[in-house]
Amino acid sequence: QSALTQPASVSGSPGQSITISCTGTSSDVGTYNLVSWYQHHPGKAPKFMIYETTKRPSGVSHRFSGSKSGNTASLTISGLQAEDEADYYCSSYAGSGTLVFGGGTKLTVL
Amino acid sequence: EVQLVQSGAEVKKPGESLKISCQGSGYSFTTSWIGWLRQMPGKGLEYLGIIYPRDSDTKYSPSFQGQVTISADKSINTAYLQWSSLKASDTAIYYCARGLSLVRGGNFDSWGQGTLVTVS
Repeated sequence: QSALTQPASVSGSPGQSITISCTGTSSDVGTYNLVSWYQHHPGKAPKFMIYETTKRPSGVSHRFSGSKSGNTASLTISGLQAEDEADYYCSSYAGSGTLVFGGGTKLTVL
Repeated sequence: EVQLVQSGAEVKKPGESLKISCQGSGYSFTTSWIGWLRQMPGKGLEYLGIIYPRDSDTKYSPSFQGQVTISADKSINTAYLQWSSLKASDTAIYYCARGLSLVRGGNFDSWGQGTLVTVS
């Protein structure tokens, strides 16, 4: 299966909201509400941010939210903060026990 | 506290074999999945595959099928990633992660610290 498509980079100023898209196909994102999002600061272990497309694990800020429309999932970060600057990855279940990941998006807080 | 502790950095030559490990603690090792991902220098995360330690059910990403072997020893709460013949292009940081449910999307909620593998 092909990787999910994410923009290479997005940017925003402190306090603003940004959205990162994650485009798949009808075989993965379009069929399953099983998209996850991970935050990765270089040199650190990735952090689990969103699961099952819209749910937040315990301890994750309410500023992070997930949504989906058709074959595209999105991660929205509101009230952007300096510490949100990181790489973000989406993943989706693709059936038959398979997972597919996106190529990652670098978020820059201006 | 859930912890995944990975083995230390490795420097190998092309053609050599290697097995790196990921030991879980603070949870029931046999009732969660362990996934493996890599990050090549300057690149994004790539998913290699996943194993269910209770019965060693293993799923590989098509891109990595036949390139690596994922295994687990539930008696010592440890999962492994191994290569039979390393290539320079295997140089990367390798992460293991606990997957809460494969059929619910993987849901990798805890991650190891990463193992740097250098092949040169």
